[in-house]
Amino acid sequence: SQQGEEDPQALSIQEGENATMNCSYKTSINNLQWYRQNSGRGLVHLILIRSNEREKHSGRLRVTLDTSKKSSSLLITASRAADTASYFCATRPASGTYKYIFGTGTRLKVLA
Amino acid sequence: NAGVTQTPKFQVLKTGQSMTLQCAQDMNHEYMSWYRQDPGMGLRLIHYSVGAGITDQGEVPNGYNVSRSTTEDFPLRLLSAAPSQTSVYFCASSSGHQPQHFGDGTRLSIL
Repeated sequence: SQQGEEDPQALSIQEGENATMNCSYKTSINNLQWYRQNSGRGLVHLILIRSNEREKHSGRLRVTLDTSKKSSSLLITASRAADTASYFCATRPASGTYKYIFGTGTRLKVLA
Repeated sequence: NAGVTQTPKFQVLKTGQSMTLQCAQDMNHEYMSWYRQDPGMGLRLIHYSVGAGITDQGEVPNGYNVSRSTTEDFPLRLLSAAPSQTSVYFCASSSGHQPQHFGDGTRLSIL
């Protein structure tokens, strides 16, 4: 399988704590994207980081990318109950194809 | 602006039946894709299109056909449904290197 791996598979934290989830991938990439999926819904884009970028911020989200290790992390600071969802990384290959490869996802539960 | 619209939302089929899952986008995106999502597997790419008249296979294309006669529409056809095709199917569209926009999915059960 070409799928990326995410860890942890599931994460449960208290409201106000930070949540960190990691993504590893197998091939050289053009960019890496993080998506959120609420139960029973489609995926919603959170943040995109290009292969020549190392860190990116968007509100309470911080994404890092280490292309030498083929890995990325998503940090959600000061989590809220509304952050409860599954989070997926997706990579677009450097070869230029449109064949996005998704990770297996992290299920985050934020307890109020 | 509806974004990406998938129909139907739910469908139950018998083994061997055929059907078409519809996907339409109103954002004039050149790229469209179909994914299936199974428990613990994340999303896997079935087929994709880089423009009207151009389609290509993804990671798991067997048992599915697609066509792209217009920029807006990208239907997915199940030729002869099998229980292994029970899944949630998502359609997505994007432009350039921008992020994908997803529909809300079609939940398909094959008995």
